Amino acid sequence: KNQVEQSPQSLIILEGKNCTLQCNYTVSPFSNLRWYKQDTGRGPVSLTIMTFSENTKSNGRYTATLDADTKQSSLHITASQLSDSASYICVVSAYSGYSTLTFGKGTMLLVSP
Amino acid sequence: EPEVTQTPSHQVTQMGQEVILRCVPISNHLYFYWYRQILGQKVEFLVSFYNNEISEKSEIFDDQFSVERPDGSNFTLKIRSTKLEDSAMYFCASTDRGDEKLFFGSGTQLSVL
Repeated sequence: KNQVEQSPQSLIILEGKNCTLQCNYTVSPFSNLRWYKQDTGRGPVSLTIMTFSENTKSNGRYTATLDADTKQSSLHITASQLSDSASYICVVSAYSGYSTLTFGKGTMLLVSP
Repeated sequence: EPEVTQTPSHQVTQMGQEVILRCVPISNHLYFYWYRQILGQKVEFLVSFYNNEISEKSEIFDDQFSVERPDGSNFTLKIRSTKLEDSAMYFCASTDRGDEKLFFGSGTQLSVL
């Protein structure tokens, strides 16, 4: 069964600090891995998409890494801002004729002033 | 920037009643999806729709659910006889290519009493 596990479940950091969120997956056949940011009461917004051949991708202060061998990904947030407070969801796509997305439960990040 | 629009933002209904959730996907997109998120849980796939027909559906999407694209712009999710456990945030999403970046709407919070 395809699964995506994220850690930590929640995290509190001070404004301006960096943090790293983790994602482990068992999804087959792997197509791509996505990180989404979900503000409370809103829909997820795409941050990055990485395919098998990509091991890092940046979007502003967000940098995602992918190790397809160990089936692990991380999302690093640099110089955090209050607006970064949100749930960060790892989503892995499997493709076998059609795309199936498996969502993680997310890491709830709170950036404190 | 174009966005996926969902209405209503909140819907309260009595158990057993029919509800229709409405979505206007991004205009040039061809693939449409419904997801749901029960409070505190991860996002779950319901159904995907392409070329005016369902391309994939999950176990959640039983006979009580149906989708329709009645015209060139709207995409609806109907729940015929709502149950308490249908209470969730329902997200519509669209993309211009399968397995590409998904754009999510802000969701409809459905409360079944």
